[in-house]
Amino acid sequence: GEDVEQSLFLSVREGDSSVINCTYTDSSSTYLYWYKQEPGAGLQLLTYIFSNMDMKQDQRLTVLLNKKDKHLSLRIADTQTGDSAIYFCAEIQPGNQFYFGTGTSLTVIP
Amino acid sequence: DTGVSQNPRHKITKRGQNVTFRCDPISEHNRLYWYRQTLGQGPEFLTYFQNEAQLEKSRLLSDRFSAERPKGSFSTLEIQRTEQGDSAMYLCASSLDLTETQYFGPGTRLLVL
Repeated sequence: GEDVEQSLFLSVREGDSSVINCTYTDSSSTYLYWYKQEPGAGLQLLTYIFSNMDMKQDQRLTVLLNKKDKHLSLRIADTQTGDSAIYFCAEIQPGNQFYFGTGTSLTVIP
Repeated sequence: DTGVSQNPRHKITKRGQNVTFRCDPISEHNRLYWYRQTLGQGPEFLTYFQNEAQLEKSRLLSDRFSAERPKGSFSTLEIQRTEQGDSAMYLCASSLDLTETQYFGPGTRLLVL
């Protein structure tokens, strides 16, 4: 399957934690990724997790992977206004094709 | 090398014209990818190269689209007889052979009038 699903919108207050969720389709994906896209810009790699890991922490970012449910989440601690952007999860499927979710638009309210 | 670069950043053209975009990947990266992104959507895979060989093409890539990577370094994406539905952001990415992480360029935004 090709559908990688994300909720479309998330609003949080500055200083709170944000949790962005993603459901992917291919259980054989080796890596799963989170990208950030600011208005009018290309995609910036935020972090990735190898499929044999359950969790990865990188400064304010925590990635959780539930392989059984094919669920990936990105937690941003102490969310700042500069974190406002669209966040895409992506998986690699056979043929080395990346499949991206539709993106979650994060709005941080001062 | 500071990353993946794409030129031009913006292109406005009239329907029926041909356009060509260029992508310069990170210099040691063997793999190069093209994606298309329309408003409110995630990027959609178009094609990718391993060195100069085009290994995979999406069914989204109609016969009006052609991509080349003649020397295994930069790549071009040409769209012939552009249609209004071709208006989108065209993204290029590159990766090393043995790691699959893709690094994206800033994109070329195409508007077909």
